[in-house]
Amino acid sequence: RKEVEQDPGPFNVPEGATVAFNCTYSNSASQSFFWYRQDCRKEPKLLMSVYSSGNEDGRFTAQLNRASQYISLLIRDSKLSDSATYLCVAPRRGAAGNKLTFGGGTRVLVKP
Amino acid sequence: GAVVSQHPSRVICKSGTSVKIECRSLDFQATTMFWYRQFPKQSLMLMATSNEGSKATYEQGVEKDKFLINHASLTLSTLTVTSAHPEDSSFYICSARGTSGGSNEQFFGPGTRLTVL
Repeated sequence: RKEVEQDPGPFNVPEGATVAFNCTYSNSASQSFFWYRQDCRKEPKLLMSVYSSGNEDGRFTAQLNRASQYISLLIRDSKLSDSATYLCVAPRRGAAGNKLTFGGGTRVLVKP
Repeated sequence: GAVVSQHPSRVICKSGTSVKIECRSLDFQATTMFWYRQFPKQSLMLMATSNEGSKATYEQGVEKDKFLINHASLTLSTLTVTSAHPEDSSFYICSARGTSGGSNEQFFGPGTRLTVL
């Protein structure tokens, strides 16, 4: 089983609609996670962190379900500019500190 | 915010040549830098962890003699792809972790797109 798994999509979303997708993780010891956004041919950019209490930032809400070992990202009132690939990221311990394990990404396409 | 640059942004080379990619932290000191590779429609895969003043730690399956990493200062790490072949064509992205702040926080460079002919 992969450490971090995501539905690759694409999720085709009408502008203004709400879209949500999950990411499952295998390491039950993981305490926190991240959602990154990656545009085509660009580097990933941190969208938000996810802790046990969840996190909300404007139209974006992230939640963590430890019992089922998944995190979710919900986007409300989708904008055309939300079209991107969303990467679920879990830190893992390495010899030189924590490393990041990236999921395969979920592609979201917001259409007019 | 923290800025990481990469150079070059794009490189095309002939098979068998070596290519050096630079990763710089512009406004902070980075004790640790990471090198990732991303193939089309795949996610980022960590290749190695680069620590200033010491040898890099490579992930399983990554050839350390092919991907040479040097982290000579707190603001610069280089990745050299030696004897590049077409299968090495990929998007190489570095990230840097600062000396302060959260231990999980990494700042990503804009990436280098390598095409080996």
